[in-house]
Formats: sequence, C-alpha cells, structure tokens
Amino acid sequence: GAGVSQTPSNKVTEKGKYVELRCDPISGHTALYWYRQSLGQGPEFLIYFQGTGAADDSGLPNDRFFAVRPEGSVSTLKIQRTERGDSAVYLCASSQGGFEETQYFGPGTRLLVL
Amino acid sequence: AQKVTQAQTEISVVEKEDVTLDCVYETRDTTYYLFWYKQPPSGELVFLIRRNSFDEQNEISGRYSWNFQKSTSSFNFTITASQVVDSAVYFCALESYGQNFVFGPGTRLSVLP
Repeated sequence: GAGVSQTPSNKVTEKGKYVELRCDPISGHTALYWYRQSLGQGPEFLIYFQGTGAADDSGLPNDRFFAVRPEGSVSTLKIQRTERGDSAVYLCASSQGGFEETQYFGPGTRLLVL
Repeated sequence: AQKVTQAQTEISVVEKEDVTLDCVYETRDTTYYLFWYKQPPSGELVFLIRRNSFDEQNEISGRYSWNFQKSTSSFNFTITASQVVDSAVYFCALESYGQNFVFGPGTRLSVLP
C-alpha cells in the first residue's frame, strides 16, 4: 500500500504475556519511528531507526521494551512481561530520513493488557 | 528542554464559525521544525503542515491558515468556516536538530451542525 501499515489493529493480552507489534513503513523510507499514545495525550517517542540500526532508543520506558528492524524496512516492537500500564495505542511513523523530513503515521495498534 | 503547549484542551464551535487553535513551543535551538497533525476519530495522525524556523511567512491552504511568530514562540492554526468533518484532535509538534519529535497534548475540536 501507499501508506504506513500496522498489524494487528487491536491486541488484547493478559498481564505477563509477550506481544509483538508490526510496522510496515512507506516504501523507500529509511527512517522509522515508534510512539506510544495514552488516552487523552499526545504521542510519546519510543525509538527511532535509521536503516537497520536504532539511532535513538532513549524513549523506551524500560528493558521490557525492544524493537528491531533487521532488513531496514519492516519493524517489530516487542514487549515482554506486559503490564496493565502498557495499555495504549502504539503508533509507527516513517520518513525519508533526516531531521527535516515529515513523518507519516500508520493507524496504530491498540494494545489492551488485562 | 523542548516543550509544546496547547492550552486549549477542548473547543466547541458551530459549523461555519472560524476557530483558532493555539500552540506555544519552547526550544533553545535556532534550527527547528514545527508541525500540525490532525487525528480524526479513526485514530490515524494526518499530516497538515511543516514549517521551519527560518520561514515566518504565514501560510494558507484552503480553509486552513497558520500564523508563525518567533517573537512569541507561537504557531497557531486557524480553520475558517469550520465544517463537521473538521472535528478531530489536533496536535502541534516540534522537532529540533538532534532531538526527537515532541508533541503537544492536543486540542479536541468539536464542530456542531
């Protein structure tokens, strides 16, 4: 497709379980970003990839969160031992790379941890 | 530190009214970009505009216009003759060189028929 896609659109899991969230960026975009958006708030930065490497992971809240982008395209955000506080919408964005480029967002994955 | 403030949590207007959404930002950098995004009920953030710190010229796009004033660190967004389809949450965002995107808390706009 032409835009950023994310799967699944919704994920319900139990506390303590492991989840993976997938992001497929716009073709040709070298930069990929993950954000977390809690209810009633703006998106908060988690991690930024330039190509295959994580250029900045300073937003990851703790070591339960990890993300990969092995081939420089699709990325997976992984959350171990989920907690109820992890419930949020996880947004992915991509850009052509570089500081001045506009980020284009996917529809998000709504994660609910019971 | 970088910060974006959107003081208006919620705004309600009647269709065809003009409405201005305020955005105030803080950054120590001289090179930065400001953005507005729209988040309709479907949830997907839609890009509206990008403005760099060296271009203070106001911009108009159809019913949308943006007023960038470095002197007051503001980047306000006006919708003229609002329509029901404009109902959404609007986010202002800031990106400085070497820093991450920082979003404001958003303003929820309701346009009533």
